[in-house]
Amino acid sequence: NAGVTQTPKFQVLKTGQSMTLQCAQDMNHNSMYWYRQDPGMGLRLIYYSASEGTTDKGEVPNGYNVSRLNKREFSLRLESAAPSQTSVYFCASSVRGGGEQFFGPGTRLTVL
Amino acid sequence: GDSVTQMEGPVTLSEEAFLTINCTYTATGYPSLFWYVQYPGEGLQLLLKATKADDKGSNKGFEATYRKETTSFHLEKGSVQVSDSAVYFCALSDTRTYKYIFGTGTRLKVLA
Repeated sequence: NAGVTQTPKFQVLKTGQSMTLQCAQDMNHNSMYWYRQDPGMGLRLIYYSASEGTTDKGEVPNGYNVSRLNKREFSLRLESAAPSQTSVYFCASSVRGGGEQFFGPGTRLTVL
Repeated sequence: GDSVTQMEGPVTLSEEAFLTINCTYTATGYPSLFWYVQYPGEGLQLLLKATKADDKGSNKGFEATYRKETTSFHLEKGSVQVSDSAVYFCALSDTRTYKYIFGTGTRLKVLA
């Protein structure tokens, strides 16, 4: 039982490059989330998926897209990376919306 | 909209000192309240939670009581250890949208 896994752990991009952050959970959870963590700003919700087949914008969705590939997997895509997207990205899941969230170890992304 | 405000850190204490980290919230409806802890280089993990007014959440010697009259959920521990050094996040879940809202986090450093 691995919980929530994220790949990659670290990534450096140049401005304008694209990439996809992968997230998978093996707990049969319905809801999944993507957050970014910046110093002094806590965690901010980028997108979430209340259940398989649905996705909704969070607080800071601009510049990102998501795909809920199946119940286990929820990916985050940066189409054209910008330095303002330098951050630590966390994926999380919960049995249902509003319940305890389980977090992955994070992806540290630097955009030059 | 809903929000969470927690005391700014860092908080530096000696081992066996009493800890209080203040957290207040604004919300419509009746949110669930949470404290999460983040150790260096890791994702967040749930420390304790309370789902209704006057509930007390507790875990690993930490406690917090859901106070509707003061809209607060302060975290306390009677005797901190060096191993408690981490960043602590207060959060609420919106009962209408099931989105989480996190505070900015409070860094705790415990000295031996």
